[in-house]
Formats: sequence, structure tokens, C-alpha cells
Amino acid sequence: EVQLVESGGGLVKPGGSLRLSCAASGFTFSSYSMNWVRQAPGKGLEWVSSISSSSSYIYYADSVKGRFTISRDNAKNSLYLQMNSLRAEDTAVYYCARDRADWNDGWFDPWGQGTLVTVSS
Amino acid sequence: EIVLTQSPATLSLSPGERATLSCRASQSVSSYLAWYQQKPGQAPRLLIYDASNRATGIPARFSGSGSGTDFTLTISSLEPEDFAVYYCQQRSNWPRYSFGQGTKLEIK
Repeated sequence: EVQLVESGGGLVKPGGSLRLSCAASGFTFSSYSMNWVRQAPGKGLEWVSSISSSSSYIYYADSVKGRFTISRDNAKNSLYLQMNSLRAEDTAVYYCARDRADWNDGWFDPWGQGTLVTVSS
Repeated sequence: EIVLTQSPATLSLSPGERATLSCRASQSVSSYLAWYQQKPGQAPRLLIYDASNRATGIPARFSGSGSGTDFTLTISSLEPEDFAVYYCQQRSNWPRYSFGQGTKLEIK
């Protein structure tokens, strides 16, 4: 069974940092592009960042560029999101999501259960 | 930036009825559109990709259509478990993916 499990969320003060992790299992992690998508409380979905299977290609939404860093460790079947200079507007549930197919098709399937990040003083 | 506008914001229907949800793109996205379902407290689930292809395990009552700027998700006969929020997503402007604001499908 394909499974994605996020961790690392929590309460952080504005300007602080947090590192999210996503543990993958049930598929060949090194063959798939991976993504982070977030959802502010009561709001819609926002794409945050994507990384190709070999980390050759990395992309960010303008709202997080320069503050967030996506990375992966294929040996550990893990995806990461380093979040620095956090702002109140970064408060959201952060989902890890795999590309549906192993040719970077840009559809997100499946998703993890999400981890909540709250930025507040 | 490609903006996706979903309508209606809320759709009130009864089980057994047919649901039609709309997603309009600010510019052509060809057939590069997907639909997701999200239930309260759960992660989104991919339903439809490339405008009309059902994802693995998705029941046949879900269908997608459209191309260019206008897309439709149809649920032929609503089951109780179908009441949820539905989002469309484009990948035409890869990798700058974007989502619609969502349509809440509620029980009438």
C-alpha cells in the first residue's frame, strides 16, 4: 500500500524555522517527483513546491521562494521542507503528495494526512 | 498566472440526484485539468486527471469533460459519501500549478 506520512509540524513564532518530513512507503520513491501543498484553515489548496525524482529540478511558489527549501533523500524514502522566516500567513496544514505517475505528470496522488504548522506569537 | 474559477460555491442536492460542477480557467489549459475530492478532516483525493480520465479506484459515477477554458465534473447519481468539497487543478502552466477555490457539495 502506498503511504505518505508527514511530521514536524507545530507552533512557531513569526520569523522562526521548522522542518517538515514526509516518510514514503509502498512504492519506488526514487522514481517519482514529489510535492508539498498547503491549506490554510478553512481555505483552499495552494501548491508550495515540487522536486523531481533525482532532485535535478526544484520549483517554488512565489509566496515561499527564498524562504522555503525542498529536498529529498532517496536512500531514506523521505521528503523534506525546510521553512525559514515563517510568517502568520504560512499557517496551514502542509500535505506531502506524490506525482500520480513516474513521468512527472503533475497530478497529485496520493496525499499524506497532513501536518499542521501554526505561526503565532 | 492561470486562475481557476469554480462554480457554484455551494451546491445543495439530494442523494440520487445528478451533480454538475464547473471550473473555468483564465486562459486555455488544453486538457491539463484535474479534479479532487476533500472530505472534512481528510486529505484531498484525486478523482479525474487530464480532464476526463478517472483515477485508480474512482467509481464510474464520476466523470469529467471539457477542454480549453471550460470544464465540468459530473456525478451521475449522488451517494451519501459524495458530499464533500471539490477542487479543480491545472498543470498547463507547469510547474506553477494552481487550484480553484472549491465547490462545496452539501446535502439538501
